[in-house]
Amino acid sequence: QQQVKQSPQSLIVQKGGIPIINCAYENTAFDYFPWYQQFPGKGPALLIAIRPDVSEKKEGRFTISFNKSAKQFSLHIMDSQPGDSATYFCAATNSGGSNYKLTFGKGTLLTVNP
Amino acid sequence: KAGVTQTPRYLIKTRGQQVTLSCSPISGHRSVSWYQQTPGQGLQFLFEYFSETQRNKGNFPGRFSGRQFSNSRSEMNVSTLELGDSALYLCASSSRSRANTGELFFGEGSRLTVL
Repeated sequence: QQQVKQSPQSLIVQKGGIPIINCAYENTAFDYFPWYQQFPGKGPALLIAIRPDVSEKKEGRFTISFNKSAKQFSLHIMDSQPGDSATYFCAATNSGGSNYKLTFGKGTLLTVNP
Repeated sequence: KAGVTQTPRYLIKTRGQQVTLSCSPISGHRSVSWYQQTPGQGLQFLFEYFSETQRNKGNFPGRFSGRQFSNSRSEMNVSTLELGDSALYLCASSSRSRANTGELFFGEGSRLTVL
């Protein structure tokens, strides 16, 4: 059972464009939603994270929007650059639970053309 | 501060063999998690250890096992390898206070190819 659905699988934008990656979750116990960025040959690295009591969070050019009622959240990358080309994963966890794990979406391969 | 170190980085095995992968977490981090990454399934949780205790295990067969040592270093073992075990195995560490907030620090992974 895939508990976090991520779309699209791949995305190509021009430099300066605003790619948007969407995720939806099913488990209402999830209360912490991080995004990870992975470059080829590297492990994923935490990019930005949000909790459901906040509808939007910005860090630099990266913004997460959160819709608790729809159980959806999305990542926007403002003024995208070729260096942003990477695979992006959304994830979810129950921070107060005892499962100590992240449930990941299947990832979005972003290509930013110069 | 050194990051998460995984060894070996690459290895090739044949079906039926077994493999042991090693992970050294960031100094001071006591939680170590393992994830399997494949193109088809993405990142899937294998297990999590804290203070030498397995606190959670993902939906993988018993051929997948792990352990954590008193210095927080961890190993995972896959026995009777199958072609489908070919994957990137990622280790991640976190400090105890953040273990449930998803702030994981990943290593670069061990890429296993099973022939």
